[in-house]
Order: sequence, then structure tokens, then C-alpha cells
Amino acid sequence: AKTTQPISMDSYEGQEVNITCSHNNIATNDYITWYQQFPSQGPRFIIQGYKTKVTNEVASLFIPADRKSSTLSLPRVSLSDTAVYYCLVGGPLTLSGTYKYIFGTGTRLKVLA
Amino acid sequence: EAQVTQNPRYLITVTGKKLTVTCSQNMNHEYMSWYRQDPGLGLRQIYYSMNVEVTDKGDVPEGYKVSRKEKRNFPLILESPSPNQTSLYFCASSLDPDRVQDSPLHFGNGTRLTVT
Repeated sequence: AKTTQPISMDSYEGQEVNITCSHNNIATNDYITWYQQFPSQGPRFIIQGYKTKVTNEVASLFIPADRKSSTLSLPRVSLSDTAVYYCLVGGPLTLSGTYKYIFGTGTRLKVLA
Repeated sequence: EAQVTQNPRYLITVTGKKLTVTCSQNMNHEYMSWYRQDPGLGLRQIYYSMNVEVTDKGDVPEGYKVSRKEKRNFPLILESPSPNQTSLYFCASSLDPDRVQDSPLHFGNGTRLTVT
């Protein structure tokens, strides 16, 4: 499923940051996964969910009942959270009929002191 | 340490000179894939492989080749590189693409390729 995210966001240290991803064509079997990418590094997994809310030690993921969007929430960001965040939507690849992963353009988050 | 290893990290070459970027994973993952990352375009998938000897095109396969002779290795081959292939390349793997909930992608640290 195609995803749409804001291109960039600025925040200050200590604030909560919410990044929303739109995925209107999400399929029943699709999961929503978020990745974080620092400069000169490959993306790394942050969090994944199917519906409602998921929380781990790094972030929370909110998914409304219709699942057409999702929101990554980063609590009390610090300068080290400056990165690009990607939302990826996909399900069991054999069921979707394709083995492709389609990333969007990502959201560039800049945390200011 | 579980990881995806790409080599080289940086590569400068000239148009038409064949090159290979290697990718290896030590997690016994079934799925491996290559992406290129360009400013404003995000990550675009070039090729992927479901298992040994099973490969298929992603969204931008033109000008690239891959092979999967062993489960752990998935090299990217540019037979005749051109300047428009100047990009940042990432290899990634996942355990089982049919269990998306348990199999996030693991990425290498990238290869920055410049073709002059």
C-alpha cells in the first residue's frame, strides 16, 4: 500500500513528536511498521502494529479503527532523535501477491535545542 | 552479532566498468533485497529474493542484476554503470516475509556509489 507522510518536521528537545502516515489502501492483512534512519546508516526498526495502540521503550504507535492512517509518537525527544522516519505498510507477501516492500519518502525530523 | 554487511562502503567508478556490491547476512534470513536511496525519493526497491535461486524485480531494476546462490549472500551487480546510478544503496533482509509481524527488515549500513 502506498503511504504519505509529511516531508519534514521540527521540534524542540523535551517535546512530544507525532508523525502521521496516511495509507488509505491498507489491506486486511497489512501491518504498519516504522523505521528510523540516521545519516550514513541504514534504517532500523522502531515499532510495528496492526490496530489500536502499541508501545515499546522507544515509541508508541496509534492506529485508528479504520486503519487508514497511523501516528508514531516519540515522547520527550532529544537531539539524538533527529533522523528520517519511514512508515511501511505491508502484509504476508504471498497473500498480497507481491514480494515488494514499498517505502514512502519518509519524514525528516529535526530536533532543536 | 546479528547483522547485514555490505561492502564496500564507498565506491567511485567510471561509466561502463562492471562492479559488484556484496551483501551478506548471518541471521539465516530467507528474504533479501536491495534498495537505492536518492534525495527526495526515499527508498526504492531494486531487486529482492525470496530464497536461494529465487529473485525478482522491484520497482527500479533497470541496469542492475542480482544472484542468490547461497542463502546468506545477495550481491548487486552493475554490468555497465552509468552516472544516473550514482546513489546510496542498501541491502536488507528479513526472516520470513510471510510473517510480517515477526520479521522486520534488517538493513546494512549502505554503499555510496559514484559513477563518473
